[in-house]
Amino acid sequence: EAQVTQNPRYLITVTGKKLTVTCSQNMNHEYMSWYRQDPGLGLRQIYYSMNVEVTDKGDVPEGYKVSRKEKRNFPLILESPSPNQTSLYFCASSFRGGHGYTFGSGTRLTVV
Amino acid sequence: ILNVEQSPQSLHVQEGDSTNFTCSFPSSNFYALHWYRWETAKSPEALFVMTLNGDEKKKGRISATLNTKEGYSYLYIKGSQPEDSATYLCAFRYGNKLVFGAGTILRVKS
Repeated sequence: EAQVTQNPRYLITVTGKKLTVTCSQNMNHEYMSWYRQDPGLGLRQIYYSMNVEVTDKGDVPEGYKVSRKEKRNFPLILESPSPNQTSLYFCASSFRGGHGYTFGSGTRLTVV
Repeated sequence: ILNVEQSPQSLHVQEGDSTNFTCSFPSSNFYALHWYRWETAKSPEALFVMTLNGDEKKKGRISATLNTKEGYSYLYIKGSQPEDSATYLCAFRYGNKLVFGAGTILRVKS
């Protein structure tokens, strides 16, 4: 089944404890992206990647890192999480050029 | 940061009503306009990707139109059903980025 798999689905962590949210897609998509969703706001882009070893900042990249060592994987890294990073996170992927995104199931992160 | 606005913020209709929502986006540097449907506790799912001025797309009872010159798109749902209840998101693509609106929440009462 074609899908984007995110893990974990839920995570509660403490301020400052490094964490990684994994994202993997099995559709051979070139493009992958991370978004966060907060109440009253639209999905805001954190980082995106056009292909392996090519990443770029979205609109809200502060406090996050990403890597794209393989085409299928695009992990999101929070080196020192803070409470303002409590949010619902989505990974998405697509073929380049005019295609809709396929979204993962989401990761609800709480930083206390 | 580009602004993509959706209206109304929420909408409550009766089963069988037809409804429509608006997405407004910058009319310059247009690449594409996406529509997604997002049901509670699920992930957003792509409905349409529209690229040309005057584009009209249809999927079942849902259709969308695009006006890139004035910077708006309409999403129409004909004969709303309770299963249409969801948040409908539009997103404006410029360059390699996709900027989402805050969404329109639709609730259809049976």
